[in-house]
Amino acid sequence: ETGVTQTPRHLVMGMTNKKSLKCEQHLGHNAMYWYKQSAKKPLELMFVYNFKEQTENNSVPSRFSPECPNSSHLFLHLHTLQPEDSALYLCASSQDQQGNQPQHFGDGTRLSIL
Amino acid sequence: GQNIDQPTEMTATEGAIVQINCTYQTSGFNGLFWYQQHAGEAPTFLSYNVLDGLEEKGRFSSFLSRSKGYSYLLLKELQMKDSASYLCAVVDSNYQLIWGAGTKLIIKP
Repeated sequence: ETGVTQTPRHLVMGMTNKKSLKCEQHLGHNAMYWYKQSAKKPLELMFVYNFKEQTENNSVPSRFSPECPNSSHLFLHLHTLQPEDSALYLCASSQDQQGNQPQHFGDGTRLSIL
Repeated sequence: GQNIDQPTEMTATEGAIVQINCTYQTSGFNGLFWYQQHAGEAPTFLSYNVLDGLEEKGRFSSFLSRSKGYSYLLLKELQMKDSASYLCAVVDSNYQLIWGAGTKLIIKP
């Protein structure tokens, strides 16, 4: 139990579907992150929120849309995804956005695009 | 560009010792993390080094040499449950995390 919960654990969707990934942290942290993890590649940072404000968007395609309604919850809305978007999507949180704070990760959502 | 290098895969025997190396070239340095990730699970924090030297935590130790841009994670008395991927990540001058691709460690009986 890492204190960060992601749902669903697995998701299969067609390219025309719309779905959302959910992340919730119970650690009282102020920063939350979305990462994409593909096999044998480094973690790719997608978005960062600090105190509910988006502070990073690493050139992520607009078919990925984040939402952070409060410091404990983070969503990733998906629409018209491509097969290359199939990957493990990890949510993480840290006390603040300073990079030298350890990040706590959820177990991820394994996304498969048909 | 910024780069983190670590071996893709390593194999070791139960009860033995293994050293996983990580070399980095980044714009500045504000610390280095090691994380463990079991298949299908969350990466979990193992260690953080910001000064040169060895930090020991039970069976796991992490070493840093800033002048050489080098770190290693040392695992002693290997157990089957240590089979996992080990991720190295460096904090750059902008306090951004730069991740390596991870080392998959396979433990054999």
